[in-house]
Amino acid sequence: EAGVVQSPRYKIIEKKQPVAFWCNPISGHNTLYWYRQNLGQGPELLIRYENEEAVDDSQLPKDRFSAERLKGVDSTLKIQPAELGDSAVYLCASSLELAVGQAGEQYFGPGTRLTVT
Amino acid sequence: TQLLEQSPQFLSIQEGENLTVYCNSSSVFSSLQWYRQEPGEGPVLLVTVVTGGEVKKLKRLTFQFGDARKDSSLHITAAQPGDTGLYLCAGARRSGNTPLVFGKGTRLSVIA
Repeated sequence: EAGVVQSPRYKIIEKKQPVAFWCNPISGHNTLYWYRQNLGQGPELLIRYENEEAVDDSQLPKDRFSAERLKGVDSTLKIQPAELGDSAVYLCASSLELAVGQAGEQYFGPGTRLTVT
Repeated sequence: TQLLEQSPQFLSIQEGENLTVYCNSSSVFSSLQWYRQEPGEGPVLLVTVVTGGEVKKLKRLTFQFGDARKDSSLHITAAQPGDTGLYLCAGARRSGNTPLVFGKGTRLSVIA
């Protein structure tokens, strides 16, 4: 079974440019997460989707970040415009809902390493 | 303020040695998870503990959840080079295993 797929794996852009990341979760997983992991830190949740609904986006910087999961499967995370401080690894994860409000194990993708110059 | 404090931040040991890493908080968690992350990869779940005082073993790894569900430890016996990686603890404040709050991790290097 394929794991969580992310692309691109690496991206280098100049500040003020837009950038987008794509995530394909494990088939059948209804919950999808986007995390940001800064160097030397643990992952920090940006947004969580249950199917196509964003149920937790309190940590998403909404002035420049946006995300969508239109059909409840693939998801994209966009930054526009990018700033130097956005350099980080952006991780996507997915899980199966075991029961209402009970998330199963989160499976992480390899991440996209973004460098903003 | 970091909700979950992990220590030590870095650890370099010889193959065959034992080690313990810690995950501490002033907050109570409904569950706590340990992950290992290798360079260029996402974290991989090792274990979930949910009951205060719970001890789980995974081959040479022993995980313990504190009685008050505020802290946890990971003990590795006879470390091997394949154990090298970043060990992350993550806690769920609410039941349901989500959302998770991650610590900064302990970077372990096991030298052959």
